[in-house]
This record gives sequence, structure tokens and C-alpha cells, in this order.
Amino acid sequence: DQQVKQNSPSLSVQEGRISILNCDYTNSMFDYFLWYKKYPAEGPTFLISISSIKDKNEDGRFTVFLNKSAKHLSLHIVPSQPGDSAVYFCAATRAKTSYDKVIFGPGTSLSVIP
Amino acid sequence: ETGVTQTPRHLVMGMTNKKSLKCEQHLGHNAMYWYKQSAKKPLELMFVYNFKEQTENNSVPSRFSPECPNSSHLFLHLHTLQPEDSALYLCASSQGSAREQYFGPGTRLTVT
Repeated sequence: DQQVKQNSPSLSVQEGRISILNCDYTNSMFDYFLWYKKYPAEGPTFLISISSIKDKNEDGRFTVFLNKSAKHLSLHIVPSQPGDSAVYFCAATRAKTSYDKVIFGPGTSLSVIP
Repeated sequence: ETGVTQTPRHLVMGMTNKKSLKCEQHLGHNAMYWYKQSAKKPLELMFVYNFKEQTENNSVPSRFSPECPNSSHLFLHLHTLQPEDSALYLCASSQGSAREQYFGPGTRLTVT
């Protein structure tokens, strides 16, 4: 049973518009959430994170929103650029040490069309 | 070299072969991880090493054998694999918390 779900395997967005990637989790013990971005032939790279004590975190064009009651988070990219085309992984954890696990979702493949 | 490197980048092996995947981190981290990513599936944690000691073996079949000779190097020894083991194998490292992991580019493994 997947603890972190990304129900949209793929998403296409026009350049300049908003991209919204969604993620749901089942374990209420998770207190830290991350988004990773992965280009083909490269490993995932950290993009943005949010602690459960917040409901929003913004970094440039990227904003992550957390709705704890719904166990839902989303990543907003505004404006979307062709270079944002990649697979985006949502991840969740309560890891405070390297002994704890980070649980990844299956990923959403974003295509930004010029 | 910077970050986390993995060799080889691609590997094709028969079910009776023995091969090894190598990972090296140049970040001074004290924890290293092996993940498996199959098509359309989440990353699956296989092994965790802290200060060269294995602290996690996530029910991985014995045909996968990890080795961590020091905190900068991690190997995954492979023998008598099955076609379903074909996947992208990713190495990662972190300092302290598993929240901040740095990934290598992965080894694309195909078992024929």
C-alpha cells in the first residue's frame, strides 16, 4: 500500500501558465515533505520542502502548499518554463536522522509546451 | 568529481553473471543509500549505511549484496539476478538527517 500517492502520471502545460502537481499521503505521522525533480539520465535533485508546522513555502517560481487535514500537498510552478519539463517526485518523512526513511511517490511527468 | 557519482551508468547482464555497481560521494556525508526505481513505481529504499554500518535492509533478496568499505564508497554486488530486477539503481548520501539526500545519476540495469 502506497503511503505517498501521485495520481497523475503526467501533466502538460503551456509555457507561461501555472503547473500544479498534486500529492496525497496516508500516514499522519509524516511531518516533513519534499519535492524532487528528475531529468532523464540524471538522479533526482531536491527542489523544495515544507514542514508540517507551515502551510506554504515559496522559493522563486516554486510554491508548495500543505493541507494537513486533507493529507494533501501541491507544488505550483509559476510561470512554467520548458526547462521545467521533468519528472517530479513527492516525498514524505518524519526523518530526523539518517536512520529514518523518506517515502517517495511514483512521480508525475511534467511537459511544458513552448 | 563533485556530488555523488555512480558507475557504470548502464549495465546489461545475464542471469548467471556477477557484477558490481559502484557509488562514490564527494560531499563528506556519513550516510549512504541504495534505491531501486522500477518503471512507473516509487523509489524503493534497499539499504542504508551509517558510518559504514548497515542500518537498514528493506527485505531485499540476498542476490543483492551491499558493501560499504568507508563513508565515501558504496557498492552493490549483484549475482544470479532475475529479469524483474531490471531497473534504475540510485545511490544517495546525506549528512545526519535522511531529509536532505543527494542522489547520483543512477545505473540503468538490464537483466537478460
